[in-house]
Amino acid sequence: GAVVSQHPSRVICKSGTSVKIECRSLDFQATTMFWYRQFPKQSLMLMATSNEGSKATYEQGVEKDKFLINHASLTLSTLTVTSAHPEDSSFYICSAGGITDTQYFGPGTRLTVL
Amino acid sequence: EDQVTQSPEALRLQEGESSSLNCSYTVSGLRGLFWYRQDPGKGPEFLFTLYSAGEEKEKERLKATLTKKESFLHITAPKPEDSATYLCAVLSEPYGGATNKLIFGTGTLLAVQP
Repeated sequence: GAVVSQHPSRVICKSGTSVKIECRSLDFQATTMFWYRQFPKQSLMLMATSNEGSKATYEQGVEKDKFLINHASLTLSTLTVTSAHPEDSSFYICSAGGITDTQYFGPGTRLTVL
Repeated sequence: EDQVTQSPEALRLQEGESSSLNCSYTVSGLRGLFWYRQDPGKGPEFLFTLYSAGEEKEKERLKATLTKKESFLHITAPKPEDSATYLCAVLSEPYGGATNKLIFGTGTLLAVQP
């Protein structure tokens, strides 16, 4: 149980375009979903927290207009990187939490912006 | 300020050589301590949740323990497939209400050689 999927696993896009990443909890209802960013050989950096049906709460320094988060249902959250630039290239990971405090992570999405 | 420190940063073991990874934490109130395993290019895989001092949990060759200041992840007779980065995270409950934001350590990179 507690499976979280992400799609796509890898994406390459041109500078200035927008990219959408989906995060789904497959076998439980995720009341809260989290989006992280991870740089090579570093730990996870929380970008934002979203609760189903509510606006996301962004961490300090994360541009909410650039990283759009939607949590429309208890099983789906999306992260849209708008007007992507090479510095947005990174490994993006989502996690989902249900009735317990444990967060279950997705497999991650490698974004490369050319 | 809540803080999580993991040691060592890297550990190289021979197959069958047991050892322990350390996670020390400073939080205003501990709601839970979590261990995850992360393979290169993948999202963290949940291992254990510990809630109170004295608690222990086991899974195959791994055993996690918790005191009021630190947690240990004991690896008994490791195999090459146990090679990964092991992440520790805490969920704190500061004054004024709860937060569901995980605070991660920087991880221990474990390499088990055959």
